[in-house]
Amino acid sequence: QKEVEQDPGPLSVPEGAIVSLNCTYSNSAFQYFMWYRQYSRKGPELLMYTYSSGNKEDGRFTAQVDKSSKYISLFIRDSQPSDSATYLCAMSEDYGQNFVFGPGTRLSVLP
Amino acid sequence: SQTIHQWPATLVQPVGSPLSLECTVEGTSNPNLYWYRQAAGRGLQLLFYSVGIGQISSEVPQNLSASRPQDRQFILSSKKLLLSDSGFYLCAWNGDGQPQHFGDGTRLSIL
Repeated sequence: QKEVEQDPGPLSVPEGAIVSLNCTYSNSAFQYFMWYRQYSRKGPELLMYTYSSGNKEDGRFTAQVDKSSKYISLFIRDSQPSDSATYLCAMSEDYGQNFVFGPGTRLSVLP
Repeated sequence: SQTIHQWPATLVQPVGSPLSLECTVEGTSNPNLYWYRQAAGRGLQLLFYSVGIGQISSEVPQNLSASRPQDRQFILSSKKLLLSDSGFYLCAWNGDGQPQHFGDGTRLSIL
């Protein structure tokens, strides 16, 4: 079993839709959870980060962590064509040097 | 604010040639620095990380090496490139207790 799993997509949605992106993981010691957005030919950009379980909201984006299920989600409301990118989840036990990344989900928001 | 610079953005090299990729961080001191390689659909593979000048840890045996000659400078090198070294190389940094931030990457093609 891979340490972090993520549906690679591609996921295509119409503009204005609510998007749900998900990752599952196997290491129960992970406490820090991150979401990155990566445009084509660019480096990943930190979108949101959370600690332990719960929700965090930032504008149209909501990050959700369920440690009991080892499952994290990123929700995008009112999706825009500019949200079209690959979304990577990442996790760490202690923000030390060990970060584990999912393979990314490619999202296309169609106008 | 902190920024990370990586260059060149694109590089085409013949097999057997040397390599030098450079990464610098501005606006912070004593960052943790990382080199990753990203393969399509396979997530980020950590190659090297450094917690200080001259301190390099290697995660995978390979044809590459890394050096940190200055506090905010991280260099990825090879004496003789192989075809298998082709890929997208990303530099990242973080402060202790913080998530990682990435540069825009170097796309390396070996001919």
